[in-house]
Amino acid sequence: EAQVTQNPRYLITVTGKKLTVTCSQNMNHEYMSWYRQDPGLGLRQIYYSMNVEVTDKGDVPEGYKVSRKEKRNFPLILESPSPNQTSLYFCASSPPGPSYNEQFFGPGTRLTVL
Amino acid sequence: AQSVTQPDIHITVSEGASLELRCNYSYGATPYLFWYVQSPGQGLQLLLKYFSGDTLVQGIKGFEAEFKRSQSSFNLRKPSVHWSDAAEYFCAVVRPNSGNTPLVFGKGTRLSVIA
Repeated sequence: EAQVTQNPRYLITVTGKKLTVTCSQNMNHEYMSWYRQDPGLGLRQIYYSMNVEVTDKGDVPEGYKVSRKEKRNFPLILESPSPNQTSLYFCASSPPGPSYNEQFFGPGTRLTVL
Repeated sequence: AQSVTQPDIHITVSEGASLELRCNYSYGATPYLFWYVQSPGQGLQLLLKYFSGDTLVQGIKGFEAEFKRSQSSFNLRKPSVHWSDAAEYFCAVVRPNSGNTPLVFGKGTRLSVIA
């Protein structure tokens, strides 16, 4: 089944404790992206990657890191999480070509930073 | 900069009634347009998209949307709502062939369905 998977789905952590949220897609998509969703703000892009070893900042990159060493994986790293990073996070991927902007979303990771 | 406005934060409709969710965008040219649905506890699923051509597009789950250039709108419609349609709906736009430009989402409209 074609899908985007994220792990973990739920995470409660404490301020300053490094964490990684994994994202993997099995559709051979080149473009991958991370969003955060907050009430009243909709979805905002954190980072994106056009291909392996190519990443760039989105609208709200502060406090986050990403890497793209393989085409299928795009982990989101919080080196020192803070309470304002409590949010619902979505990973997405897109195929190449004219339809590349049609993004497929993972199920989400709900992160709470205490 | 592109922007998307979904004027209705929350809409409640009766099961079987018709539905229209509004979406207006601000952009100098015609962007690519999308509607996504997010069911409780789920990720976003693409309902339909408009790139060019026929301005009335059909999507999954019986939804359709109409692109109106003169009104910069892309409203989502369904003739008869089912209880399972209760969810949050997001309109999104992106500049065509924009390379690394991200999707710009509206803030969403939450749909409640009552018996």
